[in-house]
Amino acid sequence: SQTIHQWPATLVQPVGSPLSLECTVEGTSNPNLYWYRQAAGRGLQLLFYSVGIGQISSEVPQNLSASRPQDRQFILSSKKLLLSDSGFYLCAWSNRVSEQYFGPGTRLTVT
Amino acid sequence: QQQVKQSPQSLIVQKGGISIINCAYENTAFDYFPWYQQFPGKGPALLIAIRPDVSEKKEGRFTISFNKSAKQFSLHIMDSQPGDSATYFCAASMNFNKFYFGSGTKLNVKP
Repeated sequence: SQTIHQWPATLVQPVGSPLSLECTVEGTSNPNLYWYRQAAGRGLQLLFYSVGIGQISSEVPQNLSASRPQDRQFILSSKKLLLSDSGFYLCAWSNRVSEQYFGPGTRLTVT
Repeated sequence: QQQVKQSPQSLIVQKGGISIINCAYENTAFDYFPWYQQFPGKGPALLIAIRPDVSEKKEGRFTISFNKSAKQFSLHIMDSQPGDSATYFCAASMNFNKFYFGSGTKLNVKP
């Protein structure tokens, strides 16, 4: 069966510090991968999605970036965090013939 | 432009009652409509989904009603229970690539 992992689970970072969130998927190959952000009590904002290694589409212009160095690994990064980057970051995958599955999320607080 | 519009934003239902959440979409190319359930601090989990070639799908106490001509679909939770208290998201997708989410409905089922 397929499993999706995200780490860390929680993170507190000062403004201006770098960020690296990692997501890995097990039990499937060549998945579509997605990064979403959810502000407190709000909906899901699609940040990036990837249909293959090195193929990243950005949905929202901001100080975040994403990379897919391996088939089942998706990384969200920032060089300098802003207060507005705080939120719940969710990684998700789909295999192009079925629904999307979400990871457990990373709670990021920028102080 | 918001691709999927969801209402209401919040909903309070008595235990045993029926919870109804509505969504509307514009793009007739959407071919898959899932609903997700999210508990606080957790990633969304797939609840039930429907294709546009059927008008209704039922799984236990959860039913999706789909109106293709009106471009609307809704989630009905029968015999609502306090354990159903969560945030619900509708979504729409074309070919399981990008998923467009509604803004979410926070359901509170009172005992």
